[in-house]
Amino acid sequence: DGGITQSPKYLFRKEGQNVTLSCEQNLNHDAMYWYRQDPGQGLRLIYYSQIVNDFQKGDIAEGYSVSREKKESFPLTVTSAQKNPTAFYLCASSYDADTEAFFGQGTRLTVV
Amino acid sequence: GESVGLHLPTLSVQEGDNSIINCAYSNSASDYFIWYKQESGKGPQFIIDIRSNMDKRQGQRVTVLLNKTVKHLSLQIAATQPGDSAVYFCAETYTNAGKSTFGDGTTLTVKP
Repeated sequence: DGGITQSPKYLFRKEGQNVTLSCEQNLNHDAMYWYRQDPGQGLRLIYYSQIVNDFQKGDIAEGYSVSREKKESFPLTVTSAQKNPTAFYLCASSYDADTEAFFGQGTRLTVV
Repeated sequence: GESVGLHLPTLSVQEGDNSIINCAYSNSASDYFIWYKQESGKGPQFIIDIRSNMDKRQGQRVTVLLNKTVKHLSLQIAATQPGDSAVYFCAETYTNAGKSTFGDGTTLTVKP
């Protein structure tokens, strides 16, 4: 089945540690995105990539890093520089920026 | 700057009634609009989209209306069912933007 997969679903980390969230898609989509969602709030764009080996900062990129070495993969690293990393992280992909996005089921990160 | 907002953060309807969820956008260059549904703990799912060369588009039990004059978008759900209870987001983008801008979301609660 085609789709977009995020792993793990739940993640716990100690404060000060970097953590990498996985996002894989087999939809052959060029564009991929990372969003952060806080309780009762909307989606805020962290990073996006329109094509392999290229990515751009979104609205809240500070404290995060990404890579796009393969078309199907767009991992997100939450670094220790992110002041408040506890949140629900959503990855999405789309054929291009002018078509609908397909979302993963999210990773809930808790930093203690 | 760009912004996409929703008029009402919450909406409660009786099962079987019609629901209308509204969205305002500020970027007059936006030419593609999408509605997503997000159930609790899951990633958003595409519902319906509309391009700026249209005023109305219908799907199964859903209709999207676009009023470019006042930069307003609405989602109508006919015969609302308990399974429609979710958060609904509108998103907008324009050609070569590379990304979409999401509104804050409206929580729809369907009372049996």
